[in-house]
Amino acid sequence: EIVMTQSPATLSVSPGERATLSCRASQSVSSNLAWYQQKPGQAPRLLIYGASTRATGIPARFSGSGSGTEFTLTISSLQSEDFAVYYCQQYNNWLLGITFGPGTKVDIK
Amino acid sequence: QVQLVQSGAEVKKPGASVKVSCKASGYTFTGYYMHWVRQAPGQGLEWMGWINPNSGGTNYAQKFQGRVTMTRDTSISTAYMELSRLRSDDTAVYYCARARPLQWLVPADWFDPWGQGTLVTVSS
Repeated sequence: EIVMTQSPATLSVSPGERATLSCRASQSVSSNLAWYQQKPGQAPRLLIYGASTRATGIPARFSGSGSGTEFTLTISSLQSEDFAVYYCQQYNNWLLGITFGPGTKVDIK
Repeated sequence: QVQLVQSGAEVKKPGASVKVSCKASGYTFTGYYMHWVRQAPGQGLEWMGWINPNSGGTNYAQKFQGRVTMTRDTSISTAYMELSRLRSDDTAVYYCARARPLQWLVPADWFDPWGQGTLVTVSS
């Protein structure tokens, strides 16, 4: 099973500031990585797939980068609605299993 | 619009089974893989497996093999996830989520959209 780790566990950011979230895979997943945003009491929402492609309707302030084992989600200027938990997910080989990172909580500084 | 609507909350006793439904609308149900993911209270996301709604073929995460069964009823565009021999640590919100089109042969299993979630509580 591919193990996903995320850092930091919690990120305190002021509105308008930039947030950088990291995700690491225990082995290469190529670009087969997605990012999700989850708010309390809601289902996760797809932000990024293919490591860097924004999903439909996702604002341009969200961007993803990386390949192999190291990935980054950047929120260029945090808005109030962006305070949430963010998960990365690898889908490199669905027969071997799909795994999520433990999440990064972005809260208000 | 593409939408997944799940059945309501359940309370079960340890050792029982639960069956959660997920009704799809806004797209061809038999054209996309459907996955199930769960989330224990205050915890992260855990993938459980997928079903091919066209053939009924399934693939389960090793952790759940022997306890989970995913099925579908194409006549009503609904997928089901049944978990048996429930334990207290199965208490979680269970989500269905649409993934890749069946004809895609490349890794493309990002999930969009998700159902609203079904809370399953296991308690004596």
